[in-house]
Amino acid sequence: EAGVAQSPRYKIIEKRQSVAFWCNPISGHATLYWYQQILGQGPKLLIQFQNNGVVDDSQLPKDRFSAERLKGVDSTLKIQPAKLEDSAVYLCASPKISSQYDYGTGELFFGEGSRLTVL
Amino acid sequence: AQSVAQPEDQVNVAEGNPLTVKCTYSVSGNPYLFWYVQYPNRGLQFLLKYITGDNLVKGSYGFEAEFNKSQTSFHLKKPSALVSDSALYFCAVRDQLVTGGYNKLIFGAGTRLAVHP
Repeated sequence: EAGVAQSPRYKIIEKRQSVAFWCNPISGHATLYWYQQILGQGPKLLIQFQNNGVVDDSQLPKDRFSAERLKGVDSTLKIQPAKLEDSAVYLCASPKISSQYDYGTGELFFGEGSRLTVL
Repeated sequence: AQSVAQPEDQVNVAEGNPLTVKCTYSVSGNPYLFWYVQYPNRGLQFLLKYITGDNLVKGSYGFEAEFNKSQTSFHLKKPSALVSDSALYFCAVRDQLVTGGYNKLIFGAGTRLAVHP
């Protein structure tokens, strides 16, 4: 089974610029998560999609962050304008499930992440 | 709210010695607990989970974890450490179930394991 694909792996921008990250989850998975991992901290959920609908975006800084999953497959996370504190690794994940009726036990598959440096 | 705590920023152990990485949790209801490992410049990889059943769960790469309900702990262990085990380890708990979808994981801050030759 193919894994979670993310791009770009690395991005360096200046503050107030914009950036976008792309994720293609494991094929057929309806649920997709974006996590932010700041250096020295554990991953923090930014947004959770179920198909193309948002389940949880309570910790997404909506004044600068946006995310979409238009066709319920791949997803894009955008930051505009970026701040210094947005420097982090952005991780995309999808759950391990056995069928469409299986809400899973919580085990997630993660992509390798997109490392953002804001100067 | 569900949470996990990893009290040690770093654990140092000599190769061949047993290792323990500590995790305590706070949940309402039954806990679903996980350990993940992160190697440099890589995403998180699943190691093991506790859902129900035996308190000692076995996972990948020879790791195991002991669930202790009275102490609300879920410590990661390995009988004999390898240099290649050096990485960042995260404990996580599944958040409370949300309607209509999968629930998210809440992660601890992580513990850096350094295994010395």
